[in-house]
Amino acid sequence: EDKVVQSPLSLVVHEGDTVTLNCSYEVTNFRSLLWYKQEKKAPTFLFMLTSSGIEKKSGRLSSILDKKELFSILNITATQTGDSAVYLCAVEKSTGTASKLTFGTGTRLQVTL
Amino acid sequence: DAGITQSPRHKVTETGTPVTLRCHQTENHRYMYWYRQDPGHGLRLIHYSYGVKDTDKGEVSDGYSVSRSKTEDFLLTLESATSSQTSVYFCAINIRGTDTQYFGPGTRLTVL
Repeated sequence: EDKVVQSPLSLVVHEGDTVTLNCSYEVTNFRSLLWYKQEKKAPTFLFMLTSSGIEKKSGRLSSILDKKELFSILNITATQTGDSAVYLCAVEKSTGTASKLTFGTGTRLQVTL
Repeated sequence: DAGITQSPRHKVTETGTPVTLRCHQTENHRYMYWYRQDPGHGLRLIHYSYGVKDTDKGEVSDGYSVSRSKTEDFLLTLESATSSQTSVYFCAINIRGTDTQYFGPGTRLTVL
């Protein structure tokens, strides 16, 4: 059975802190790992990672994938209150008909002043 | 927003009634998905479609059926709603060439 586990489940930090969110997975026919941000509405896409060791970066957010150890991390530097959200990790697998995503339950991040 | 709309956005219904949720896209994407999101479970795939009239089951398909008679619309039907189907339902599409799924705004369904 495919599995995606995120840790920690929740996190409270002060504005300006750096946080690291973790995602480990077990999935057959792995294609990619995706990170989404969800703020009381639909998830919005952050990153897609397919290759080990190559960091993807967007502003203060960055992510890297380790396909040997089957995990990914999402780093947020200099956190702001607007970073408060649930961060979702999903693993994409290929099937005969379409690619499918399996999601973790998310990490709830709260950034306080 | 990838041109996805969902209707209705909110619905309250009673146990045993049929319910149909609609996902509409304007950009001719081939792949469409229905998820439900519940506390403690995250997003779980219900059904997906890989073309007109081509659909398949996801991990939580019991009690749900889908139809796709034209590219732009993917319908999710609860034949006889139960309280366990109270959830937020998201539609998603897969943008051709990117393999990234983009989500619609969601439908909050409450079954009393």
